[in-house]
Amino acid sequence: GAGVSQTPSNKVTEKGKYVELRCDPISGHTALYWYRQSLGQGPEFLIYFQGTGAADDSGLPNDRFFAVRPEGSVSTLKIQRTERGDSAVYLCASSRGDGGAFFGQGTRLTVV
Amino acid sequence: AQSVTQLDSQVPVFEEAPVELRCNYSSSVSVYLFWYVQYPNQGLQLLLKYLSGSTLVKGINGFEAEFNKSQTSFHLRKPSVHISDTAEYFCAVSEVDSSYKLIFGSGTRLLVRP
Repeated sequence: GAGVSQTPSNKVTEKGKYVELRCDPISGHTALYWYRQSLGQGPEFLIYFQGTGAADDSGLPNDRFFAVRPEGSVSTLKIQRTERGDSAVYLCASSRGDGGAFFGQGTRLTVV
Repeated sequence: AQSVTQLDSQVPVFEEAPVELRCNYSSSVSVYLFWYVQYPNQGLQLLLKYLSGSTLVKGINGFEAEFNKSQTSFHLRKPSVHISDTAEYFCAVSEVDSSYKLIFGSGTRLLVRP
């Protein structure tokens, strides 16, 4: 597709369960970012990939959060033992590396 | 560390009136500056960015912003707004040479009334 695609668009899970959120970036974009947006706030940085490697994971809140990008394209954000405080919209963005990041529409995660 | 302050959580304005959305940032190093817009039920869209050069930056949909280093500001302006400009606007900063990792403000909701 032409834009950044995120699936699923909505995810409801029970506290303690494991979830995976997928991001399909724009073709050819080497940089990929994950952000989290809570209600009424701006997005918060989680992790940045350049190619296959996580170049900066300083925004991951704790070790329950992990992300991969094995082939340098699609990325998966994984959350273990989900907590109600993890409920938010998770945003993915990709870029050619020129400062113009393109965002997906996000995955709304609700932990009940 | 960088931070971004958007003092106005909501700005109501009448259609065809001018508008200014304020953004101030804090950083001990040189930064890049961005404005993003988020329309209802849509993803974030880049309006404009300042990387270097002229401090007056023009973006899409008639918006512009001016980088003022001495006042550490990057206010967004439009001379005449439309109903369709109703949206949430986010200012963001990125440390130069930091891979363009963005630090966002809390957003300003622009509400354009007929």
